[in-house]
Amino acid sequence: QVQLQESGPGLVKPSQTLSLTCTVSGDSISSGSYYWTWIRQPAGEGLEWIGRIYTSGSTIYNPSLKSRVTISLDTSNNVFSLKLTSVTAADTAVYYCARAGLTNFDSWGQGTLVTVSS
Amino acid sequence: QSALTQPASVSGSPGQSITISCTGTSSDVGGFDYVSWYQQHPGKAPKLIIYDVNKRPSGVSNRFSGSKSGNTAALTISGLQAEDEADYYCNSYTSSSTWVFGGGTKLTVL
Repeated sequence: QVQLQESGPGLVKPSQTLSLTCTVSGDSISSGSYYWTWIRQPAGEGLEWIGRIYTSGSTIYNPSLKSRVTISLDTSNNVFSLKLTSVTAADTAVYYCARAGLTNFDSWGQGTLVTVSS
Repeated sequence: QSALTQPASVSGSPGQSITISCTGTSSDVGGFDYVSWYQQHPGKAPKLIIYDVNKRPSGVSNRFSGSKSGNTAALTISGLQAEDEADYYCNSYTSSSTWVFGGGTKLTVL
């Protein structure tokens, strides 16, 4: 059974870069069967899809975040990562990594809270 | 891309049935049979309960069912139970090869 676990700093200063890693176990991110995605949820608000990466390294991002987001793969360590630049308080949220088929997100990490504050 | 439209809240008594709607456009909900639904309890990660409009993952109760007509999808929960009290989110694939979520619906079991 696949498991995903987010990790990274819980506090980031405004204007700096948010960096998170998702460690995958029970599946290979290079298998070619799934997309690897990031989703976030501000406190008390809904889910927002951030972007996805495929085994080939091809990426697609939410248009509203595209200019600030980079998702990458490290197949040797079976992890994928998120970088979000020029963060503001509006980027404070619980960040989830998830495995996705074309049509759904079938496995999720537990989520990690990232707070943007000086 | 704009979020799909869901009612902010719905409620029902134990044993009753409720339906949550999810309205999009012909570029997302109406254009693909790729609507999925997620249940989220407080402090927990979302859980997939319906995919491809009306399919249930293994282990999900058959009290949960999905449907779609035009640009609007719906999640129906029958035989409401106290444990169904949670937030529910719809999601759709889009013509831009992205995904978009609904704003979420809080279900209260009275």
